[in-house]
Amino acid sequence: QQPVQSPQAVILREGEDAVINCSSSKALYSVHWYRQKHGEAPVFLMILLKGGEQKGHEKISASFNEKKQQSSLYLTASQLSYSGTYFCGTVIQGAQKLVFGQGTRLTINP
Amino acid sequence: DTEVTQTPKHLVMGMTNKKSLKCEQHMGHRAMYWYKQKAKKPPELMFVYSYEKLSINESVPSRFSPECPNSSLLNLHLHALQPEDSALYLCASSQDGPDRGQVQPQHFGDGTRLSIL
Repeated sequence: QQPVQSPQAVILREGEDAVINCSSSKALYSVHWYRQKHGEAPVFLMILLKGGEQKGHEKISASFNEKKQQSSLYLTASQLSYSGTYFCGTVIQGAQKLVFGQGTRLTINP
Repeated sequence: DTEVTQTPKHLVMGMTNKKSLKCEQHMGHRAMYWYKQKAKKPPELMFVYSYEKLSINESVPSRFSPECPNSSLLNLHLHALQPEDSALYLCASSQDGPDRGQVQPQHFGDGTRLSIL
């Protein structure tokens, strides 16, 4: 039931782009994305509902392919502040809870 | 600053002790959650309260006892814990509970780092 994230870790230089993928073996109702910096609380980024929508917030956007049960998070022109561990959380159809993937550690170097 | 406040930030206790973790939010949210997070792992759901009633218990051992005195407060009572219970315990809240139709964005506190000796 736990979604699978890839890659497990990414190291970028400031200004480069990154894509983080999240896939599930179950039919999904929604996908949530969170970022957690070391020693801090997870912070909500965005939610995508079934319907194949795409959302964006400044240079961070995401897509949800309902047929493939996959979501991708796109970070464009990365900034130092983007460093942290990104978790996707999935809600399978008929369920009432969020299950997080294993996380993707993103490191942005100057 | 997080809008969900957890106390204490750190807690060290022996296996025979009784202690409580506290969580408070003033955003008018009606759902509150307890998660457990081990190092370099994702948060794992433990309990969900919706409108002050327990709506989800993820088969958590009885040595963990949640309590929701009102819609702003959430406690987690601890008794006879094991060393493997050492972890970061995160509290979260959301506008509504998942039993009201949709799992909503959650606001997390900074957590209580618990160590069992």
